[in-house]
Amino acid sequence: GEDVEQSLFLSVREGDSSVINCTYTDSSSTYLYWYKQEPGAGLQLLTYIFSNMDMKQDQRLTVLLNKKDKHLSLRIADTQTGDSAIYFCAEILPGGSYIPTFGRGTSLIVHP
Amino acid sequence: GAGVSQSPSNKVTEKGKDVELRCDPISGHTALYWYRQRLGQGLEFLIYFQGNSAPDKSGLPSDRFSAERTGESVSTLTIQRTQQEDSAVYLCASSDRGTTEAFFGQGTRLTVV
Repeated sequence: GEDVEQSLFLSVREGDSSVINCTYTDSSSTYLYWYKQEPGAGLQLLTYIFSNMDMKQDQRLTVLLNKKDKHLSLRIADTQTGDSAIYFCAEILPGGSYIPTFGRGTSLIVHP
Repeated sequence: GAGVSQSPSNKVTEKGKDVELRCDPISGHTALYWYRQRLGQGLEFLIYFQGNSAPDKSGLPSDRFSAERTGESVSTLTIQRTQQEDSAVYLCASSDRGTTEAFFGQGTRLTVV
């Protein structure tokens, strides 16, 4: 399978915006996801975007997709300490099996 | 149940022993996935069940790993002759046919000593 790449750490101040980036290498990916994992918990789906879209907004979350560069980003506006977690980017390839392939995750640390 | 349930939540075992990890998916979900998450690593796909189709076992790292699923309900992941490198959090997820959102359990933290 193809690899999904993410930076490992991001540190921001409370109230600032956070931007978490992801690159994927398979241009035929149909769905792209952002999951959040809080300490000691499983993964929770935050948002997803279809490959035929280039932007999706959901309250404080904005997802941008650049298919040409195979780049996906998650922007969190007005970041709060409760947003501190690991954020995983994931893709689903076409073919019907719907098996998400995950990146290594980005640890977001929000300072008060 | 209300969510995906995994048991045990923590398991410490001696090297060489066999372990069984259990996953109860959300009722009615036809798809079930097992992933492994090593410390500081991403999620590594292990196996995928979809309804009555043959499972996709392409992610199992060795023949010491196997998994079963009873119909569209409980799944058991078995690791035989455990090794220290098997230490990880094992995550189970389920999803409904026709949707792509996978719901995850809280995982089983396996420590091989």
